[in-house]
Amino acid sequence: GQNIDQPTEMTATEGAIVQINCTYQTSGFNGLFWYQQHAGEAPTFLSYNVLDGLEEKGRFSSFLSRSKGYSYLLLKELQMKDSASYLCAVSDSNYQLIWGAGTKLIIKP
Amino acid sequence: GAVVSQHPSWVICKSGTSVKIECRSLDFQATTMFWYRQFPKQSLMLMATSNEGSKATYEQGVEKDKFLINHASLTLSTLTVTSAHPEDSSFYICSASAGRDFYEQYFGPGTRLTVT
Repeated sequence: GQNIDQPTEMTATEGAIVQINCTYQTSGFNGLFWYQQHAGEAPTFLSYNVLDGLEEKGRFSSFLSRSKGYSYLLLKELQMKDSASYLCAVSDSNYQLIWGAGTKLIIKP
Repeated sequence: GAVVSQHPSWVICKSGTSVKIECRSLDFQATTMFWYRQFPKQSLMLMATSNEGSKATYEQGVEKDKFLINHASLTLSTLTVTSAHPEDSSFYICSASAGRDFYEQYFGPGTRLTVT
């Protein structure tokens, strides 16, 4: 079967750095996405990785290792507004998105 | 950037009635649209994939006669929840992509349905 695993909840301090991990087993791979979702809102796109390595976008970076079936989302200089759920999703061989359950990130002052 | 709208943003209906939710891509042609459902504190669950001009492909466990999807044009897809029941209360989100080799999906803002 296809499976995406990510921690259910994480807590971090404002101004700090947090890394949210995602491991996957899917039938085929056409890229991995990270989305941010605030409560009651639709997800917004953060990043897309299809090749191994680190993609940096401002305070957010995403890393992919296809051989390990592993990705992480790195958030730097955390702000209170970063409190949200972070969803990992993999595009499989049919270009269908397989979603993780999301990681709820709680930022404390 | 690519914008996807949904209407209505929230709706309350009585049990047994039908509700139609519209999803529009405002500045691009969406050859594929996806409909998701999200229950509180749960991840998005794909309900169906629709390609313009053809029948939608439903995920296992999703009743196609209950959740009618019409993708009549390259900018509009509709989801009709027929004979709604309280257990259908959920957050319904559509997304659109410009083609098979898409880079990302563009999400609509979602529609919160409450069935009383």
